[in-house]
Amino acid sequence: DVKVTQSSRYLVKRTGEKVFLECVQDMDHENMFWYRQDPGLGLRLIYFSYDVKMKEKGDIPEGYSVSREKKERFSLILESASTNQTSMYLCASSLGTQGGDKAFFGQGTRLTVV
Amino acid sequence: AQTVTQSQPEMSVQEAETVTLSCTYDTSENNYYLFWYKQPPSRQMILVIRQEAYKQQNATENRFSVNFQKAAKSFSLKISDSQLGDTAMYFCAFMSYQAGTALIFGKGTTLSVSS
Repeated sequence: DVKVTQSSRYLVKRTGEKVFLECVQDMDHENMFWYRQDPGLGLRLIYFSYDVKMKEKGDIPEGYSVSREKKERFSLILESASTNQTSMYLCASSLGTQGGDKAFFGQGTRLTVV
Repeated sequence: AQTVTQSQPEMSVQEAETVTLSCTYDTSENNYYLFWYKQPPSRQMILVIRQEAYKQQNATENRFSVNFQKAAKSFSLKISDSQLGDTAMYFCAFMSYQAGTALIFGKGTTLSVSS
């Protein structure tokens, strides 16, 4: 089965730090996604990528950037972490050849910014 | 823009009983996909069931089935013979028909199954 691996399960960073959240998938998927999950708000899309070096803004891109230099890796970057970015971050990937592809998720990174 | 609404933040059910989780959505598209995902305490999101909007037949997966009402833009999930392992947060999600689009999620329903 597809494996989506997020580099950290828990992370604590200080305000103002540059933070990298890494995500790797092992099934040659075209699409990769970063979501943020907060209680009562569900999952909100930050950025997604449908090809190497391609990216699209989601619903809440402010304060974030992304990088996809290789097909299997999609990084989420917090340029200057703030306390309101304390959240659960979920990475996902899907095949991308047609609509309705099943999305596979990583186990999430719980980020705390202090 | 598409939106997905789950009106039940929390629900509870006894083992072996049946429970229905509600979901409504809004879209101007005619062809699209709908999903239910489960997130147990382990945090791993798992696909429960998938429905193609152009198929009138409701999708089923073992104890899980949906009631898809396209005209009403309603997509409820029925869990039969509930088990303790069904305890999780359940998310309803929408995806456009074309490739290269992202899932749009509702806010989730926390389901607790008790013995």
